[in-house]
Amino acid sequence: DADVTQTPRNRITKTGKRIMLECSQTKGHDRMYWYRQDPGLGLRLIYYSFDVKDINKGEISDGYSVSRQAQAKFSLSLESAIPNQTALYFCATEPSKGAPWSTQYFGPGTRLLVL
Amino acid sequence: EDQVTQSPEALRLQEGESSSLNCSYTVSGLRGLFWYRQDPGKGPEFLFTLYSAGEEKEKERLKATLTKKESFLHITAPKPEDSATYLCAVQAYSSASKIIFGSGTRLSIRP
Repeated sequence: DADVTQTPRNRITKTGKRIMLECSQTKGHDRMYWYRQDPGLGLRLIYYSFDVKDINKGEISDGYSVSRQAQAKFSLSLESAIPNQTALYFCATEPSKGAPWSTQYFGPGTRLLVL
Repeated sequence: EDQVTQSPEALRLQEGESSSLNCSYTVSGLRGLFWYRQDPGKGPEFLFTLYSAGEEKEKERLKATLTKKESFLHITAPKPEDSATYLCAVQAYSSASKIIFGSGTRLSIRP
C-alpha cells in the first residue's frame, strides 16, 4: 500500500463549487504540505503544517483553506473554485527530525479541472 | 527576488551518453538545495539535498554538485529508466517558510 495517498485522483468541478482534496499518510510523519503544479511554473507551496495544531500559509494560499484533522490527515479545500485553480495538486509529508523541506515524500497527486 | 532556473527544458540522450542538467539559483543565503525526480502521473521522488558549495552527493548513475550560484545533476551512462523530469528546489534562510521549485528538465533516454 502507498504511504501517502490522495483522494480523489481526478476531479472535474464547476466554477463556484466547494471541493475538498484529501491526503492521508501511514508514514507517521508530523509535517505535511500541500502544493500545486502548473505547466512551466513548477511546484508552488499552498499550505503546510508541522504538527496537528500548527497551520501555516505558503506562497499561494489565497482561495484555499486547510484542515489538519489528525497527524495522518491533511485536507485542502477550495471554498469557491475558479478556473485558474485548474492544476495538479500534491500532498507531501516529512519526518520531524531534520530541517524542514530536507526530505519530503509526495503523494500521487490529484488532477483538478475547474470548468 | 529569490529565483530558480533549470536548463535545458528538455534533453534527449542516447543510452550511455552522459550529460548534465543545470539548476541556477539566486537566493539571499542558501539553506538547502534539493533535487527530485518526477515520473509521468506521479509525485516527485526525493533524490538529494545539498547544503554548501563544494558538496557532492551520488546515487547510482546520478551525481549532484553545488556551487554558490548553481547546481549540476550529472548523469553517467544513462539508461532508458532514467527518463523522467528532474526538479530542483531551493530554500533560503531569509524565508524559512518558503521553498522555490524550478520548472524542471524533461530527460528522455533512447535505447
